[in-house]
Amino acid sequence: AQSVTQLDSQVPVFEEAPVELRCNYSSSVSVYLFWYVQYPNQGLQLLLKYLSGSTLVESINGFEAEFNKSQTSFHLRKPSVHISDTAEYFCAVSAGYGGATNKLIFGTGTLLAVQP
Amino acid sequence: KAGVTQTPRYLIKTRGQQVTLSCSPISGHRSVSWYQQTPGQGLQFLFEYFSETQRNKGNFPGRFSGRQFSNSRSEMNVSTLELGDSALYLCASSLTATSGANVLTFGAGSRLTVL
Repeated sequence: AQSVTQLDSQVPVFEEAPVELRCNYSSSVSVYLFWYVQYPNQGLQLLLKYLSGSTLVESINGFEAEFNKSQTSFHLRKPSVHISDTAEYFCAVSAGYGGATNKLIFGTGTLLAVQP
Repeated sequence: KAGVTQTPRYLIKTRGQQVTLSCSPISGHRSVSWYQQTPGQGLQFLFEYFSETQRNKGNFPGRFSGRQFSNSRSEMNVSTLELGDSALYLCASSLTATSGANVLTFGAGSRLTVL
């Protein structure tokens, strides 16, 4: 069975500082990995995804994540955060690698709190 | 292009009642999934539908049910509501259900409060 662990429930950081949100996964098969972001009173929005190929994936708003198979990690990073990045971030693994399902298994989320 | 639309956005029910939540997927999307989000349990998968067929079901009691219509719209129903059913119910749509690489687009959710 697959699982996702986000060790940090909350990460406080000052504006313009770098940040890393940690995500580790467990899977007996190859994986598809995702980061979603949730702003207050909203649904989830896809931030970035790893399906195959380059292990470093980037989003349009400056976030990046690196797939590390040996460490079973998919940490999310941003070199300089803004107040508007304050949100909850969820790492997820697809249960559908090689199979016909869109089911995602989510981590417990990390609240990124950017302070001025 | 309209996103995933969930109705109602907020609702309050009392224990023992039932509730029906609706989800209209992005036009052309044929797969709809439902998730329950609570502070204690986080995001948990409820069910997944594709072409009116339930493809996958999470570990929830039989009080939770769903269906998908020929136009891909989906509804979920919770009967005999319990206090613990208070949650944000999220619907997500995708073009197909043939690969775990599909990206899910989520709606804003329906927030259910059970008193």
